Amino acid sequence: RKEVEQDPGPFNVPEGATVAFNCTYSNSASQSFFWYRQDCRKEPKLLMSVYSSGNEDGRFTAQLNRASQYISLLIRDSKLSDSATYLCVVNSGGSNYKLTFGKGTLLTVNP
Amino acid sequence: GAGVSQSPSNKVTEKGKDVELRCDPISGHTALYWYRQSLGQGLEFLIYFQGNSAPDKSGLPSDRFSAERTGGSVSTLTIQRTQQEDSAVYLCASSLYLDLRAFFGPGTRLTVL
Repeated sequence: RKEVEQDPGPFNVPEGATVAFNCTYSNSASQSFFWYRQDCRKEPKLLMSVYSSGNEDGRFTAQLNRASQYISLLIRDSKLSDSATYLCVVNSGGSNYKLTFGKGTLLTVNP
Repeated sequence: GAGVSQSPSNKVTEKGKDVELRCDPISGHTALYWYRQSLGQGLEFLIYFQGNSAPDKSGLPSDRFSAERTGGSVSTLTIQRTQQEDSAVYLCASSLYLDLRAFFGPGTRLTVL
């Protein structure tokens, strides 16, 4: 099992749609979880951290299920500017600093 | 404030030549990472520096790759005797110690002919 696995995508959705990305991780000792977005030919940028209680930032909601080792990202009312690759990121375990990136899921929001 | 900067932004070199890639982390960030991303692939961890501790070099793909960090700030990634498979975008990131939120520089696109 890969350390971090994501939906392969790509996702094509109309503006205003709700879209969900899923991610699973293999190391049960992992403690830190993030979603990054990466625009074409750009560097990854931190979108949000993922907390055990779930957290929301505007149209974005992240959730963590430790029992299932599963992370999700929900985007509501999607905008054209949300088009990007979304990367699930997990640390290697405990307080280990090594961050492992999923391969990402490409989202295209269409007018 | 200033983000992570990397230079050069693009580097084209011939097979067998050595290259040096530079990273300037965010001021005050003691942790520094190097990753690389090949076309259409995910990010591959290369090396991690934290303060004055010995770096974690476990991701370096061969002994042709080395990195150093001088004065706890600027880092240089050196690739000796470059090969075509070294062609990739080399990304540097920094973070505060124990805060794993990493901020990336724009990367260096390396092309080995």
